[in-house]
Formats: sequence, C-alpha cells, structure tokens
Amino acid sequence: NAGVMQNPRHLVRRRGQEARLRCSPMKGHSHVYWYRQLPEEGLKFMVYLQKENIIDESGMPKERFSAEFPKEGPSILRIQQVVRGDSAAYFCASSPRLEFDGQFFGPGTRLTVL
Amino acid sequence: GENVEQHPSTLSVQEGDSAVIKCTYSDSASNYFPWYKQELGKGPQLIIDIRSNVGEKKDQRIAVTLNKTAKHFSLHITETQPEDSAVYFCAASLTSSGAGSYQLTFGKGTKLSVIP
Repeated sequence: NAGVMQNPRHLVRRRGQEARLRCSPMKGHSHVYWYRQLPEEGLKFMVYLQKENIIDESGMPKERFSAEFPKEGPSILRIQQVVRGDSAAYFCASSPRLEFDGQFFGPGTRLTVL
Repeated sequence: GENVEQHPSTLSVQEGDSAVIKCTYSDSASNYFPWYKQELGKGPQLIIDIRSNVGEKKDQRIAVTLNKTAKHFSLHITETQPEDSAVYFCAASLTSSGAGSYQLTFGKGTKLSVIP
C-alpha cells in the first residue's frame, strides 16, 4: 500500500528556469494539498486541489506559481522563472474524502535555486 | 486567518522521562488538531489527532489534550526513547462543511532530543 509519492526528491535549478514538482496521492485519495517549508519553519499551505479542480489557491503566490491535478496522472506544482527565494522543501499531502480530515504527506521535493 | 503558536522550540529530555509540547490557536472555529513527527530529510508523519468534541485522546505512549475554552492543545510523550527524537509540529484546521479547503495551519515546530 504505497504512500504519497513525490518526485523528484531533489531538484536544482538556476535562476530563471522552470521547476516542475510531481505528486501522486495515496491509492483511493482524490484530494491533494501542497505545502512549502522554509528552513527552520513550519509548513505553509499553498493550494488544495481535487481532480481537475483547484479548490483553494489562497496560499499560492499570484505570479510564477501554478498547480494542476489532471484527470489522469499526478498533481503538478509548477514554478516559472525561479528565484533564490523559491528554495525550500515542497510537500504534497493527500486525503481520501472531504469528510476525512487526516492529511498524509509525501517525502517532499527539495528545491535549490542557484 | 488562523495562527498557531508552538512552544518550546527545542526540548531535551532524558530517556524514560516525559516530554510535553504546547500549542495555542487563534480561531475559535477550528475543530481539528493533528500532530506530526518529522524526521530529518523526511515528510511529516501523522502521529495523533484530536477533534473539538473530545478533550483527550491517547495512543500508547502518546496523548493529546485539548482545552477549547483556552484555545490550546498539548502533546504528551511518556517513557521517551531515542527514536522519539525528531521535530514535532502541531496544526489546526476548520473542517466543517462549507469551511473551504480544510487547509492545515502549522506551528513552527519543536525539536525534541531524547538523550540516552
């Protein structure tokens, strides 16, 4: 029973490049959340998606960041024209249904912007 | 929006002693409070959670208490072991129907070190 999967685990980009982070939720889970964690900080909510729908993106920066969760395939968090301040660990979490509150996290993608 | 404060930021205990981590939240409407354990280089792992209609919940050596009036909740770990060493995060969420996205608001974490 595989948990939440994220790839890549580590990603290095130069300033101005694009970063694509992937998340496959646990089997049977249709709700996906993305969080960002800066060093020595807690996790900050970015976006909540269901299949083919963005439900809440109130935590996502207005520019350069986008997320999707297509009908088929993993959820994607995309960061365009990365800057050094985007360096962080990005975690994906999934939950099975609306009424179930537990969110289960993946191992994260550690993005380093040079 | 919700704000969660967590104390202490670091905690060292001798193996076998108890550890207590405390959190306060600001939004009285929050009704779900999970605790996560994060080991170095890994994602947060849900270890216990509590809902607002319950005052205390226990799972083996781990217990969580909730005081809704004071808007604070605590994690208690008894008989600590070296493998309990990690960063622990509390979180709060509003989960009723129509509440929105059920996003978790996290505290800044407590680094627990259990000394053998």
